[in-house]
Amino acid sequence: DSGVTQTPKHLITATGQRVTLRCSPRSGDLSVYWYQQSLDQGLQFLIQYYNGEERAKGNILERFSAQQFPDLHSELNLSSLELGDSALYFCASSEDRDHEQYFGPGTRLTVT
Amino acid sequence: GEDVEQSLFLSVREGDSSVINCTYTDSSSTYLYWYKQEPGAGLQLLTYIFSNMDMKQDQRLTVLLNKKDKHLSLRIADTQTGDSAIYFCAERGAGDYKLSFGAGTTVTVRA
Repeated sequence: DSGVTQTPKHLITATGQRVTLRCSPRSGDLSVYWYQQSLDQGLQFLIQYYNGEERAKGNILERFSAQQFPDLHSELNLSSLELGDSALYFCASSEDRDHEQYFGPGTRLTVT
Repeated sequence: GEDVEQSLFLSVREGDSSVINCTYTDSSSTYLYWYKQEPGAGLQLLTYIFSNMDMKQDQRLTVLLNKKDKHLSLRIADTQTGDSAIYFCAERGAGDYKLSFGAGTTVTVRA
């Protein structure tokens, strides 16, 4: 158990809908990262937050957004969902100076 | 951009050593990592190596880094059935916080 929690575990929704994925980092970790794992793209970095501020952005679509709250949990919002958004979404956390990223169990999103 | 490549499959007999290879292109890589993903599970950080090191050993795991050739390997000694999983190589560039991952190597341990 990495100490990173993600909810929900599974999510099934229809095209065009909007969903919110939630992540709680390990105790004491200030950074949260979101990654997408799909069969065709592999593991791709989406976005990073540090202590509430966006720090780095990767291959994140404009339909996707994220935020980190004062209690350090983070949410990833996916809107206008398409079939191709079906994937495993992972959250990871780290202390700012610590390079080790610890991953949560992921949320499996299925868009039908 | 960063590019990390791994062979896709490895089959090994129980009790033998496994060697998983990875190459990367970013010469500014500072840390290189190995993660393990079991079916239906998240990514478990196995080990990592700093770019100024050649080797790191951690129990049954040995990481070798050839920085000149940008080649990383993970050796698992005495491979067990519980080692069957997908192994991901990842790198982190200088001044970067994100990880760039390879496609993963599926390791199958046969009796």
